[in-house]
Amino acid sequence: DADVTQTPRNRITKTGKRIMLECSQTKGHDRMYWYRQDPGLGLRLIYYSFDVKDINKGEISDGYSVSRQAQAKFSLSLESAIPNQTALYFCATSDPRGQAGNQPQHFGDGTRLSIL
Amino acid sequence: QKEVEQNSGPLSVPEGAIASLNCTYSDRGSQSFFWYRQYSGKSPELIMSIYSNGDKEDGRFTAQLNKASQYVSLLIRDSQPSDSATYLCAFYPYSSASKIIFGSGTRLSIRP
Repeated sequence: DADVTQTPRNRITKTGKRIMLECSQTKGHDRMYWYRQDPGLGLRLIYYSFDVKDINKGEISDGYSVSRQAQAKFSLSLESAIPNQTALYFCATSDPRGQAGNQPQHFGDGTRLSIL
Repeated sequence: QKEVEQNSGPLSVPEGAIASLNCTYSDRGSQSFFWYRQYSGKSPELIMSIYSNGDKEDGRFTAQLNKASQYVSLLIRDSQPSDSATYLCAFYPYSSASKIIFGSGTRLSIRP
């Protein structure tokens, strides 16, 4: 089983709809992240959370919101989807234990989201 | 100056040859460098971590870190068609040790 699970894997929806992407992990990591990736472009950070009570905006948080329901769950919502939010979305986790900043991020399989 | 720079490619290498991928970064105090491989439409997969100056080898992969010159490289020996992917470098900058920075990736193509 995957350590970082994203649901759904694919989603097609219409402009204006509310969408929730879910991420759950069994790695026991405190830190969780949401990224989007557009064709030919790099990863862009949307939101990140270092624990249940800590939520931070990334570089492109406008139009998105998140909820950290538990250590293992971090959801991303698009309140009113628009076509330019069509992208590949990744959830990632990292372990803060050990020397600060030393830990790599581990990614889920991604959600391919299309907004018509 | 960009935080991280990678040549977007595509870098075309014949099968069996050595592929050399490079990444430069601007934050001199950066620590903890990583290389990820990403196949088209798939998620990034961690393939190498390097924390100290010098070389680190793992199978056909060698990561090289030179903090004085602010670059990190990935060498892939005996390149195989399955190595065709986009390779992302990543690191934790000293200025923000809690947020990893990803390069935009170099697309590698191994030709038969």
